[in-house]
Amino acid sequence: AQSVSQHNHHVILSEAASLELGCNYSYGGTVNLFWYVQYPGQHLQLLLKYFSGDPLVKGIKGFEAEFIKSKFSFNLRKPSVQWSDTAEYFCAENSGNTPLVFGKGTRLSVIA
Amino acid sequence: EAGVAQSPRYKIIEKRQSVAFWCNPISGHATLYWYQQILGQGPKLLIQFQNNGVVDDSQLPKDRFSAERLKGVDSTLKIQPAKLEDSAVYLCASSHPVGDYEQYFGPGTRLTVT
Repeated sequence: AQSVSQHNHHVILSEAASLELGCNYSYGGTVNLFWYVQYPGQHLQLLLKYFSGDPLVKGIKGFEAEFIKSKFSFNLRKPSVQWSDTAEYFCAENSGNTPLVFGKGTRLSVIA
Repeated sequence: EAGVAQSPRYKIIEKRQSVAFWCNPISGHATLYWYQQILGQGPKLLIQFQNNGVVDDSQLPKDRFSAERLKGVDSTLKIQPAKLEDSAVYLCASSHPVGDYEQYFGPGTRLTVT
């Protein structure tokens, strides 16, 4: 069965610090990869997605992720976090028009 | 473009009671998903519809959960009878049947079973 692993349960950073959240997926075939964000009290929103092509994907709000096929990884990065980035971040995968398989999520707390 | 609509937003029931959730997907989205998100975990699929047909319900606890999408548009998810472990957020998502299949999520229904 497909699975997604997120290594960090809770990350605490100061404003302006750099962010990297780890994500590993298990599916060995053609895979679509996603990062979703859930701000407190709000619904899931798509940050970025990878289907094919350039392995470095840029998303909204200054986030980016790099698909490394040899490592089955799709880590999320942001060079300088803001207090407003405080949220829960979910990595997910699917293959085509199939259900998403989510990781357990990483809670990011940004402190002033 | 209107997003995915869900109601109610919150529901509190006692165990062994029944409850129903409603979802209206984005217009034109033939594929509809119901996910369950337990506190501290990522969402997990309950059921996937393509129009009014079930594509995947392998993870739906069919002894107590049921779902339908009779006209291929809106959908209802029912739990009867509810158990304490059903406390979760129930998310509905929809996607277009062609293209990049991006899934758009509704705000969810937070269910508390006491």
